[in-house]
Amino acid sequence: DAGVTQSPTHLIKTRGQQVTLRCSPKSGHDTVSWYQQALGQGPQFIFQYYEEEERQRGNFPDRFSGHQFPNYSSELNVNALLLGDSALYLCASSLVSHGGAFFGQGTRLTVV
Amino acid sequence: AQTVTQSQPEMSVQEAETVTLSCTYDTSENNYYLFWYKQPPSRQMILVIRQEAYKQQNATENRFSVNFQKAAKSFSLKISDSQLGDTAMYFCAFLSSGGYNKLIFGAGTRLAVHP
Repeated sequence: DAGVTQSPTHLIKTRGQQVTLRCSPKSGHDTVSWYQQALGQGPQFIFQYYEEEERQRGNFPDRFSGHQFPNYSSELNVNALLLGDSALYLCASSLVSHGGAFFGQGTRLTVV
Repeated sequence: AQTVTQSQPEMSVQEAETVTLSCTYDTSENNYYLFWYKQPPSRQMILVIRQEAYKQQNATENRFSVNFQKAAKSFSLKISDSQLGDTAMYFCAFLSSGGYNKLIFGAGTRLAVHP
């Protein structure tokens, strides 16, 4: 079992650009959540996908959007990047019926 | 809204000793889950231990155990026989039973285990 996998591991983008991050959930998991972790802070919930729909959203602007595919993998898109978007982006997968989540290693996004 | 507070930004312990990390939370719900996650320098968030609020018995996983005080809304993590590999950030997290697996994290405690 490969667990939760994220790509890429590191990324450098310029202000104003757009970025797409990818996540493959743990085998058997049907729910994918995305978190943003700024340096020295705890992760903040961005949104969650289940059955290819966004089920819940945290306090993030519409520049943050996502998608879930039929195979349960997911993408996080961020448009019009700001310097403040620099962070570690974590993907977590879980079963809709089960509390708790398994995390990937994250994507370190740096906006310059 | 639920909140999670970790009041110890940094802790240190000698190898083989015991250390306790503190966590308090605020919620009006009766059914929920609490977790401790470990984040080593590799960045991956690793689930250490899980507690269901309706269970009075404290959860244990090998050297890791919790002291869950529901009335006080306190959820501390005890690490026994500390090992160098326990050096990491530790996050306490809250999950509402109806919360669609949306985890609410504390700010974390950086634990250093010294030889």
